Amino acid sequence: AQSVSQHNHHVILSEAASLELGCNYSYGGTVNLFWYVQYPGQHLQLLLKYFSGDPLVKGIKGFEAEFIKSKFSFNLRKPSVQWSDTAEYFCAVKGNYGQNFVFGPGTRLSVLP
Amino acid sequence: GAVVSQHPSWVICKSGTSVKIECRSLDFQATTMFWYRQFPKQSLMLMATSNEGSKATYEQGVEKDKFLINHASLTLSTLTVTSAHPEDSSFYICSAAWPAGKNEKLFFGSGTQLSVL
Repeated sequence: AQSVSQHNHHVILSEAASLELGCNYSYGGTVNLFWYVQYPGQHLQLLLKYFSGDPLVKGIKGFEAEFIKSKFSFNLRKPSVQWSDTAEYFCAVKGNYGQNFVFGPGTRLSVLP
Repeated sequence: GAVVSQHPSWVICKSGTSVKIECRSLDFQATTMFWYRQFPKQSLMLMATSNEGSKATYEQGVEKDKFLINHASLTLSTLTVTSAHPEDSSFYICSAAWPAGKNEKLFFGSGTQLSVL
């Protein structure tokens, strides 16, 4: 069965600091990978996705993620965070053959002004 | 972009009553919708997969007679919490998958906060 783990439960950074949120998954086949973000009081929205091709994908608001197949990882990065990036971040995986989406437990990011 | 509307956003009900939550895809057709439950500071827990025109598929441990799901059209799925009790109080979120196929993504509703007194 698929599973997704996220390394950190809560990350606290100061503005302008660099961010990296870890995500690892377990699944033997081909996968699609996603990062979703949930800002306070808002619904989940797609930050970025990887389907195929260049393993370094860029999303909205300056976020990027790198798919490393050998490590089963899809870490999220941003070189300089802003206070407005404070949110809950969820990594998700979907197998390519009809499987459901599986979400990680989420990482809460708090950016201090 | 694809928009999913969820209604109501907030409901309070008495113990023993039933509550219906609607999830609509506004600008696309969704063969498959998902219902999640989210506890405070925790991740999404998939409750069931709703397929248009057929019975929903429930995850292990989710009571199908308590959480009734109907997906009568390609743009509407409903979740009815029957005979609600205080332990059913939670944040319920729906999502719709689109487009069908290997490039499928999830689009989420804004959630419904249910409080059972």
